[in-house]
Amino acid sequence: DAGVIQSPRHEVTEMGQEVTLRCKPISGHNSLFWYRQTMMRGLELLIYFNNNVPIDDSGMPEDRFSAKMPNASFSTLKIQPSEPRDSAVYFCASSSLSGGEETQYFGPGTRLLVL
Amino acid sequence: RKEVEQDPGPFNVPEGATVAFNCTYSNSASQSFFWYRQDCRKEPKLLMSVYSSGNEDGRFTAQLNRASQYISLLIRDSKLSDSATYLCAVNGNAGNMLTFGGGTRLMVKP
Repeated sequence: DAGVIQSPRHEVTEMGQEVTLRCKPISGHNSLFWYRQTMMRGLELLIYFNNNVPIDDSGMPEDRFSAKMPNASFSTLKIQPSEPRDSAVYFCASSSLSGGEETQYFGPGTRLLVL
Repeated sequence: RKEVEQDPGPFNVPEGATVAFNCTYSNSASQSFFWYRQDCRKEPKLLMSVYSSGNEDGRFTAQLNRASQYISLLIRDSKLSDSATYLCAVNGNAGNMLTFGGGTRLMVKP
């Protein structure tokens, strides 16, 4: 079975550029999570969706970050404009709401470097 | 105080040793608990869920102490391949959101 798919796997960009990260959750999962991981701050939840609806975006650092989930099989996280401090690994994870099962399955991540 | 806290380590142990990690959480209403394993430059992967009565999976044992609000992971007969970072995760106030600890790094040496 296909797991969570993320693209690109690596992204190097210059400060000020727009960055778009993509995620395809596991088929049948109805919750999707975006995380950021750095050495200093660990794994931080940015935003999560249930049934394509954003539920909690309190972790989104600032207005430069936005996320969408137009349908059950696709989500994007956009940073505009990007800054060097945005450099991190961004993970997408999905889970199923049914049966109270909260186990989250992570994608391979996108390594972002903003120069 | 962080919602979920772990000793970052590293824990350096010889092969065959038994090692235990704890993870404390602040939300007494938390109901679900997990241990994830993360290898270097990889994504976190579920190791095991933690049940109220404690549970075992081969060399791994997870326990929950609600009174003191911590979960533990015990690894027996550690292998070189157990070297990784172990993250605990606790469900939050709403829905299926999880809060992760900062991770504990384990290094098993020959």
